Amino acid sequence: DAKTTQPTSMDCAEGRAANLPCNHSTISGNEYVYWYRQIHSQGPQYIIHGLKNNETNEMASLIITEDRKSSTLILPHATLRDTAVYYCIVRANNNDMRFGAGTRLTVKP
Amino acid sequence: GAGVSQSPSNKVTEKGKDVELRCDPISGHTALYWYRQSLGQGLEFLIYFQGNSAPDKSGLPSDRFSAERTGGSVSTLTIQRTQQEDSAVYLCASSSGSRTGELFFGEGSRLTVL
Repeated sequence: DAKTTQPTSMDCAEGRAANLPCNHSTISGNEYVYWYRQIHSQGPQYIIHGLKNNETNEMASLIITEDRKSSTLILPHATLRDTAVYYCIVRANNNDMRFGAGTRLTVKP
Repeated sequence: GAGVSQSPSNKVTEKGKDVELRCDPISGHTALYWYRQSLGQGLEFLIYFQGNSAPDKSGLPSDRFSAERTGGSVSTLTIQRTQQEDSAVYLCASSSGSRTGELFFGEGSRLTVL
């Protein structure tokens, strides 16, 4: 299974877009990119996933590069409640979702 | 219920005692996962159940840890002869069982071993 690399931490100003990068240079053709987040003291929450095409939902947008070796999760208008640890996971299916250390995003007023 | 339910939410036990943690997945979900999260750390995969298939136990840290899922629904994680290093939040998740279905997590059971 492909490994992912994410920055340890990031800051973002409230109301601005938060762009969280993820490198997955060894991704296979059948592996999806998933994003989850974990707000303090809560269980992780699914955000979005994609295979090749960019995806958007009510929470975020996922931009996957054409070579699929990296992706970016975009929170278009970050709020204080978006402060959390964001996990990027690459898997062919969801039967062994392994969470790494993630990126700790702090949204500042 | 509407979501994944875990109990107890908090458990304090003495070293050497056995503990059982329970997970009620979302109704109809065939896949169930257990994770462990120590303070300030990421999630550590423990075990995965899918329907009637043999569970993936590859993440269980020792033979003191076991889990079962009865009737394809409720799951119990058992830790025998608890040690202080077992102190953590134990998280359960369920999914529909489809290949890319999202995982829905419970609020976790916080275990403290004195």
